Amino acid sequence: QSVLTQPPSASGTPGQRVTISCSGSSSNIGTNYVYWYQQLPGTAPKLLIYRNNQRPSGVPDRFSGAKSGTSASLAISGLRSEDEADYYCAAWDDSLSVVVFGGGTKLTVL
Amino acid sequence: EVQLLESGGGLVQPGGSLRLSCAASGFTFSSYAMSWVRQAPGKGLEWVSVISGGGGSTYYADSVKGRFTISRDNSKNTLYLQMNSLRAEDTAVYYCAKRDYGDYAASENWGQGTLVTVSS
Repeated sequence: QSVLTQPPSASGTPGQRVTISCSGSSSNIGTNYVYWYQQLPGTAPKLLIYRNNQRPSGVPDRFSGAKSGTSASLAISGLRSEDEADYYCAAWDDSLSVVVFGGGTKLTVL
Repeated sequence: EVQLLESGGGLVQPGGSLRLSCAASGFTFSSYAMSWVRQAPGKGLEWVSVISGGGGSTYYADSVKGRFTISRDNSKNTLYLQMNSLRAEDTAVYYCAKRDYGDYAASENWGQGTLVTVSS
């Protein structure tokens, strides 16, 4: 059972917009930044979004992040086949003094 | 260019020990906290531990506390994870990652991972 809760799966067709949610608590998302990672099969995770809604250099602006209260979301617009991957949210938890990850969301592009 | 290269993985019996290493290059190693994150086969990411740049602060996941020890040698630009009393549930790919953006949860640079298999 992950401290951060994500839906196990999501799907969309090419060109669509998909949103993945991440629910936490006051000790993690409620007080700290949220980070989103993309992991393609057999590869290391890649940072997609930092500090809730910022994109590292090289990440397309099709990816966007938002945070409200104890929840966060990742939106992918103009869905492409290469976006098919696992997506994870993460945050520091002040109460546990650990980094907490969501369980991951497998995105399928139909 | 930041490079992180893990080594030391392999097959070990339950109750055994293993030490993972992560050789870093392309940045001032001592200025950055470093983490270990693992992923069991077919499962999600699980954060394991983090160590500050100077090595004075460490944090561990409850699942490994008391069994694993994170350390670093800044003179060798190398991060370590000493794993003792290994269990089957420790079987995973172990990644080292560089802390970025001043947050333990943020890592823009990851190694390729090293597989640890705990089995008799």
